[in-house]
Amino acid sequence: AQSVTQLGSHVSVSEGALVLLRCNYSSSVPPYLFWYVQYPNQGLQLLLKYTTGATLVKGINGFEAEFKKSETSFHLTKPSAHMSDAAEYFCAVKSLSGGYNKLIFGAGTRLAVHP
Amino acid sequence: EPEVTQTPSHQVTQMGQEVILRCVPISNHLYFYWYRQILGQKVEFLVSFYNNEISEKSEIFDDQFSVERPDGSNFTLKIRSTKLEDSAMYFCASSRSGASTDTQYFGPGTRLTVL
Repeated sequence: AQSVTQLGSHVSVSEGALVLLRCNYSSSVPPYLFWYVQYPNQGLQLLLKYTTGATLVKGINGFEAEFKKSETSFHLTKPSAHMSDAAEYFCAVKSLSGGYNKLIFGAGTRLAVHP
Repeated sequence: EPEVTQTPSHQVTQMGQEVILRCVPISNHLYFYWYRQILGQKVEFLVSFYNNEISEKSEIFDDQFSVERPDGSNFTLKIRSTKLEDSAMYFCASSRSGASTDTQYFGPGTRLTVL
């Protein structure tokens, strides 16, 4: 069965510092991977996704993630944190069972950005 | 930009009562989903719906749950007899197709509290 593990339920960085949010997946075949962000009182918004092709994926708001098959990882990075990046971030994998309709989520990482 | 909307934002109910959570998916989307997140736990898939039928459901989605698209715009989740453990944030999502690479767009959620 597929699964997603996000290391660190809370990450705190200074404004301007590198953001690194970790995601590891378990899948017997190449997965389709997603990062979503949830701002307070809002829904889950897609940041970026990896399906096929280039392993470095660029998303919105300056975020990017790299699919590393050898490490079964899909870590999310941003070179310079902004106060507005404070939110909860979810890594997810598309299930291969059924009709590929199901997203399997990690537990989420809450990012705090301090001045 | 089109978005998924959900009503109400908060719902408080007594154990054993029926609740209906409402969602308006993005207008040209054909696939609809419900997920839930119990406080402190992962976002979990409940059900997917296409062409007026359930296409996939999880073990959580038992006989107490049902979904319906009563008209051309709304998509509802009904819980017939709520239990304390149904307290959670419920997210509706929609996608244009059921393709594995397609993005699911999420609403802001309905927080259900069962007393």
